Amino acid sequence: NAGVTQTPKFRVLKTGQSMTLLCAQDMNHEYMYWYRQDPGMGLRLIHYSVGEGTTAKGEVPDGYNVSRLKKQNFLLGLESAAPSQTSVYFCASSPGTGGLRRSPLHFGNGTRLTVT
Amino acid sequence: AQSVTQLDSQVPVFEEAPVELRCNYSSSVSVYLFWYVQYPNQGLQLLLKYLSGSTLVKGINGFEAEFNKSQTSFHLRKPSVHISDTAEYFCAVSPREGSSNTGKLIFGQGTTLQVKP
Repeated sequence: NAGVTQTPKFRVLKTGQSMTLLCAQDMNHEYMYWYRQDPGMGLRLIHYSVGEGTTAKGEVPDGYNVSRLKKQNFLLGLESAAPSQTSVYFCASSPGTGGLRRSPLHFGNGTRLTVT
Repeated sequence: AQSVTQLDSQVPVFEEAPVELRCNYSSSVSVYLFWYVQYPNQGLQLLLKYLSGSTLVKGINGFEAEFNKSQTSFHLRKPSVHISDTAEYFCAVSPREGSSNTGKLIFGQGTTLQVKP
């Protein structure tokens, strides 16, 4: 089983460029999340989704947009990249209501993004 | 709202020595507690979790953690570390119930465990 797959693994952007990060999970999980990881700051939640067609803002949503058109996919978009968005981005999924008791968040291996 | 503080950013230790990684949290509601490990260039993996019941929980790779409600702490311990335990460790909390329980985790800043031969 693949679990949670993130593409691409690495990307370098110039300021002002746009890109989309793709997260795909094959576990039929309801909930999906996008986090960013920065040194000394742990992981901070950007956006999340509790089901197909729904999204919600997390702790640091500014500068990002998301879409969950299909249950298995959660896309993170940067419309106009800024150097402050240089980070490692992690996608995660979980089964849904009550699922946290039975199963933890499953993480992808991350996307390392550099904005110059 | 919840917050998590990991008191040490780096913990160097010699192989086969015991180790404790400290975690304190703040929350106005009851929470679930987790420890995750991140090996270089990988995603996060669950080490252990506290949901209810016994305050001492055992996880994978010989790690254990103790929930102390009065001190709002959830420290991670291992009696004898191995070189392969070198990694970054994250403490996290999630609200137990209510509309805010969307399963999202609030993470601490992380502690890098460096095991030396």
